[in-house]
Amino acid sequence: GAGVSQSPRYKVAKRGQDVALRCDPISGHVSLFWYQQALGQGPEFLTYFQNEAQLDKSGLPSDRFFAERPEGSVSTLKIQRTQQEDSAVYLCASSFDRVPTNYGYTFGSGTRLTVV
Amino acid sequence: DAKTTQPPSMDCAEGRAANLPCNHSTISGNEYVYWYRQIHSQGPQYIIHGLKNNETNEMASLIITEDRKSSTLILPHATLRDTAVYYCIVRPSSSGSARQLTFGSGTQLTVLP
Repeated sequence: GAGVSQSPRYKVAKRGQDVALRCDPISGHVSLFWYQQALGQGPEFLTYFQNEAQLDKSGLPSDRFFAERPEGSVSTLKIQRTQQEDSAVYLCASSFDRVPTNYGYTFGSGTRLTVV
Repeated sequence: DAKTTQPPSMDCAEGRAANLPCNHSTISGNEYVYWYRQIHSQGPQYIIHGLKNNETNEMASLIITEDRKSSTLILPHATLRDTAVYYCIVRPSSSGSARQLTFGSGTQLTVLP
């Protein structure tokens, strides 16, 4: 597609439920990022993939968060046993470059997760 | 990455120039100034970047002071569609292993009719 596609657009989960968020990057984009954006805050880095390799997961807030990109294209961010503090918008970004330039990112519109 | 300081909010009249300031007093010689914006319910979008010279593109102009400790993003004729949160980010062009962007809280620009 022409842009980065994320699904679902909105997700409401009961506390303790597992959720899976999907990101379809632009075809051919090597680098893929996940960010978490709490209400009223800027996006915060979660994890980075170069093709199928997860090169940086230093931003994942706990071991309940897991991300994968098994074939180097679509990526899934999974959150186990969701907590209220996980409520946020989860953004995916991709870049053609193996080492992204600071202006070469394309962001998706995000998934808004609400944990009740 | 160098820390940046931006006002939390600004208003601008439609059709007038919007001037968004950013302080980055600890910027180092190899760091560029980047601007992104985030319209409500969308992901951030790249606007412009510069090192020390003023830059202009179809979206905006970037004015960087001679000492590089501050900069101003200028939207010459703001429209209602320019209402968004604007982020100023300072980092090297080649960031080695730290490939991700670091966003602050940004400036909420509201363009008024």
